[in-house]
Amino acid sequence: DGGITQSPKYLFRKEGQNVTLSCEQNLNHDAMYWYRQDPGQGLRLIYYSQIVNDFQKGDIAEGYSVSREKKESFPLTVTSAQKNPTAFYLCASRREGNQPQHFGDGTRLSIL
Amino acid sequence: SQKIEQNSEALNIQEGKTATLTCNYTNYSPAYLQWYRQDPGRGPVFLLLIRENEKEKRKERLKVTFDTTLKQSLFHITASQPADSATYLCALTSNAGNMLTFGGGTRLMVKP
Repeated sequence: DGGITQSPKYLFRKEGQNVTLSCEQNLNHDAMYWYRQDPGQGLRLIYYSQIVNDFQKGDIAEGYSVSREKKESFPLTVTSAQKNPTAFYLCASRREGNQPQHFGDGTRLSIL
Repeated sequence: SQKIEQNSEALNIQEGKTATLTCNYTNYSPAYLQWYRQDPGRGPVFLLLIRENEKEKRKERLKVTFDTTLKQSLFHITASQPADSATYLCALTSNAGNMLTFGGGTRLMVKP
């Protein structure tokens, strides 16, 4: 079955450490997105990519970085500059046009 | 600034009744409005999309209305079941974009 796979399910970060969250899709979608979800809040856009080798900042990009070297993959790095990284991170992809987004099952990041 | 509001308090209803969830927005002219379902620890799942020139959309027990004058969407689940218990998110997108802006979600609890 086609879908989006996020790994790991749970991740712990030490102070001063960078961590990378994986997102892979086999839906052949061009666009991919990273969101952050805090308790009781909606999803906030971190970065998005509409095509390979191109990506744009979302509303809360500071302290995060991404790459899009392959259509299937859109990893997110949470850098040490992100001072409040504890959250639920969701990756999504979308076909062209105003189609709905398909989401992975998220990675929960916590601070050690 | 753009704002999307959903009732942050949980909605508790009895099985078999109709659940009605509200999504209000300000400073926004959306072309499309989408509703998603999110279960705990999972990613959102797309339910329905309605365009600005559509008043109502139905899918099985689900119905969505979109009133661009009131700047409001209503999401109805008829003959509700305990399995409908989840958080429901509304999301808006403009003509310009591929980006969705999400509300904070409303948690629905259907009691047997």
